[in-house]
Amino acid sequence: NAGVMQNPRHLVRRRGQEARLRCSPMKGHSHVYWYRQLPEEGLKFMVYLQKENIIDESGMPKERFSAEFPKEGPSILRIQQVVRGDSAAYFCASSPGRGVFYEQYFGPGTRLTVT
Amino acid sequence: AQSVTQPDIHITVSEGASLELRCNYSYGATPYLFWYVQSPGQGLQLLLKYFSGDTLVQGIKGFEAEFKRSQSSFNLRKPSVHWSDAAEYFCAVGSSGGGADGLTFGKGTHLIIQP
Repeated sequence: NAGVMQNPRHLVRRRGQEARLRCSPMKGHSHVYWYRQLPEEGLKFMVYLQKENIIDESGMPKERFSAEFPKEGPSILRIQQVVRGDSAAYFCASSPGRGVFYEQYFGPGTRLTVT
Repeated sequence: AQSVTQPDIHITVSEGASLELRCNYSYGATPYLFWYVQSPGQGLQLLLKYFSGDTLVQGIKGFEAEFKRSQSSFNLRKPSVHWSDAAEYFCAVGSSGGGADGLTFGKGTHLIIQP
């Protein structure tokens, strides 16, 4: 059973460009979480999605960031007009159900560098 | 709001020596506590979790953690470390209903193993 897959693993963008990060959950998982890890910091929750629905986006910046999890295909985290402060590692996790009792399985992350 | 504090940014331990990583949490209700390990360039792997019951929980790779409500702590221990244990360790807390769906992580403790 393949684990959570994220691509690209490394992404370099210039200020003002768009970044698209992809996350394919584990087989059978329909719940996806996105986290951001700034340098020297722990992971910060951004958004939680189920197929075709954003359930909890309480950690998502209000502007420039959006997420989706379509019926088919991977979950996408989109950052428009990137700035240097967006440089971070972005991790997604998938789980088979909603809530703390379901283990979250993490992908290897996408390391975004904004130049 | 819930929070997690890991007081030690770096810890150096000799191979074969015992290990204790500290974690303190702040949470109004019964906490759901986790320890994750992150190897360089990898995603997070769950070591163990505490939901209820026995306050001493066993995890993978020979790790254990003890929940102490009176001290708001959930320290991770291992009796004898191996060089392969060198990694970043994160403590996290989750909520059951009413709060954000994601986990709240500490900033992590970087474990260095001396030969």
